[in-house]
This record gives sequence, C-alpha cells and structure tokens, in this order.
Amino acid sequence: KAGVTQTPRYLIKTRGQQVTLSCSPISGHRSVSWYQQTPGQGLQFLFEYFSETQRNKGNFPGRFSGRQFSNSRSEMNVSTLELGDSALYLCASSGGSPWEQYFGPGTRLTVT
Amino acid sequence: KNQVEQSPQSLIILEGKNCTLQCNYTVSPFSNLRWYKQDTGRGPVSLTIMTFSENTKSNGRYTATLDADTKQSSLHITASQLSDSASYICVVMQNYGGSQGNLIFGKGTKLSVKP
Repeated sequence: KAGVTQTPRYLIKTRGQQVTLSCSPISGHRSVSWYQQTPGQGLQFLFEYFSETQRNKGNFPGRFSGRQFSNSRSEMNVSTLELGDSALYLCASSGGSPWEQYFGPGTRLTVT
Repeated sequence: KNQVEQSPQSLIILEGKNCTLQCNYTVSPFSNLRWYKQDTGRGPVSLTIMTFSENTKSNGRYTATLDADTKQSSLHITASQLSDSASYICVVMQNYGGSQGNLIFGKGTKLSVKP
C-alpha cells in the first residue's frame, strides 16, 4: 500500500505571494490532517478534513485554508505569505481515528 | 492549560548506550499517548501508542512507560544505534468521546547518537 504523498517537496516563495500544497492520503483513508512544524513551535495542528468537510480546525489565521476532494486528496492554501510561514508542512491521513495517523514526508516551504 | 512538555530538549549519547526521554503532560481528559520518531526532513513515524490502562509497551529496542496518575511518560532506548539519531515527539490525545479527539504535541527531544 502506498504511503501518504505530498507535493511539492520543496518550495520557495516571496512574501505576499500565495501557495498551494497537495496531499494524497493512503488509499481508503478519508481523513486528512495538516500540520505546521517549525523549530521554535514544534508541530502545530492546522485543520482536519473528513469526507470533504472540515472537521477540526487549529488556531491559525484565515490566510490558511484547505479543502478535500471526493477522492480524499487534500490541498492546503496559504495566501499573502509572511516570512514566519516558512516551515515544514506535514499532512497525515487516517482511516477515521486521529490516533492512527500516518504522516507524509512534508513540504518544506521557504518564504523570502 | 493543556500542555505536553518534553525533556531534555536535546541529548547526545555514544553508540551502544541506553537513554531515557521524558514527557510530562497536563492534558485532560486523557485518551492516549503516542511517541513518534522523526528523522530529519521526514514525517513522524509512530513508535508506540498507550491508553490509560497500559503502563508499558515495547517496540523492539524502544520501551515506553506511562504513569497516568503522575501524568508522565518515558521512552527508553536500549543499545542505541546511529540510526536512532532523530527527534522524538510525545503526543497526547484528549478524549472527546467517539473517534474524534484533540492532539497536543510536545516540542520533541533531539537525540544524536555518536560513534
């Protein structure tokens, strides 16, 4: 069974731009969660999608948004990028239970 | 406030030695606790998951303990190998009932194993 895949793996953007990250979950998994990881804050929960609906949301500004498609693939969008958005963005999929998450390799976003 | 605190922040040990990583939490109500290993530039990989009633669980050279009374967990690594060099993250899940829950992450312990 293929694991969680994320594209692109690396991305460099300029402040003020927007970016879209993609996540393909493990086949059969309907839940996709997104996390931001920085050296100072560690892993922070962004949001979770289940069956195309946002089920949980972390404490991030509205510039961070996401969506999930009918095939469970998910995208995360960040608008008006700030330098502080530089981070590793991780996607995790599960069959429904948050404690059975499997993480993807992440997308390393650098904002200059 | 629901928090997960890990110590030490970083640790350097020699190959072949044992080490213990600590995790203290104030999360309530508690559902379960998981230890992840994260290699540099990779996503976290689950090592163990423990529920309220479990106080020890092993996965090869990794042994996790949980004391739900004192709200402490530890991860013991035996006979360390160079490949154990990674960040180890403690995650506690709040119990919201059913299958949903809120995950609270520690900031991790960065372990370096030297030859």
